[in-house]
Amino acid sequence: AQTVTQSQPEMSVQEAETVTLSCTYDTSESDYYLFWYKQPPSRQMILVIRQEAYKQQNATENRFSVNFQKAAKSFSLKISDSQLGDAAMYFCAYKGGSEKLVFGKGTKLTVNP
Amino acid sequence: NAGVTQTPKFRILKIGQSMTLQCTQDMNHNYMYWYRQDPGMGLKLIYYSVGAGITDKGEVPNGYNVSRSTTEDFPLRLELAAPSQTSVYFCASSYLRSSSGNTIYFGEGSWLTVV
Repeated sequence: AQTVTQSQPEMSVQEAETVTLSCTYDTSESDYYLFWYKQPPSRQMILVIRQEAYKQQNATENRFSVNFQKAAKSFSLKISDSQLGDAAMYFCAYKGGSEKLVFGKGTKLTVNP
Repeated sequence: NAGVTQTPKFRILKIGQSMTLQCTQDMNHNYMYWYRQDPGMGLKLIYYSVGAGITDKGEVPNGYNVSRSTTEDFPLRLELAAPSQTSVYFCASSYLRSSSGNTIYFGEGSWLTVV
């Protein structure tokens, strides 16, 4: 079974600075998708960024980018120019052939003014 | 376009009571899912469905039942509520793999407390 590990329960960053959230996963599949979801206090699950495993190019969405290392099974999220509104729980997730989304335990990000 | 809609948003149940969490999506998605999220934890899959008439267990199915009679609806039933089922429940949906990007869309969550 696939597993997703987020080794940082909490992270903090100063406003306007850059922060990187770590995620590793375990799978024997070659074709899969990886996601980062943001969950603010409202508990809504908001898709931040998505990466297809067959694409070598790292995904980017405005201030959010990923460092996808397929051989190392690593999928980190970089947030540039951090804003107060970025404060939330961030979940890394894996979706493979079973079509089920497997989540890590999350990283709580605090943004300090 | 409403996306994924869950009802109710909040509910308090007494131990032993039963209830159904409703979920409907208007995106014609094949796949639908129910997750639960306990405090300070990630989401765990309860049940999922790959299409009307087909359901399968996820990681934590005990104490729950589902049905999928239509593409749009995927209700989750709790038969005998227990305090351990106090959680936030999320319904989600997605297409079968396609150029749509395989994104899973979530409802806003249903907060359930069993006392």
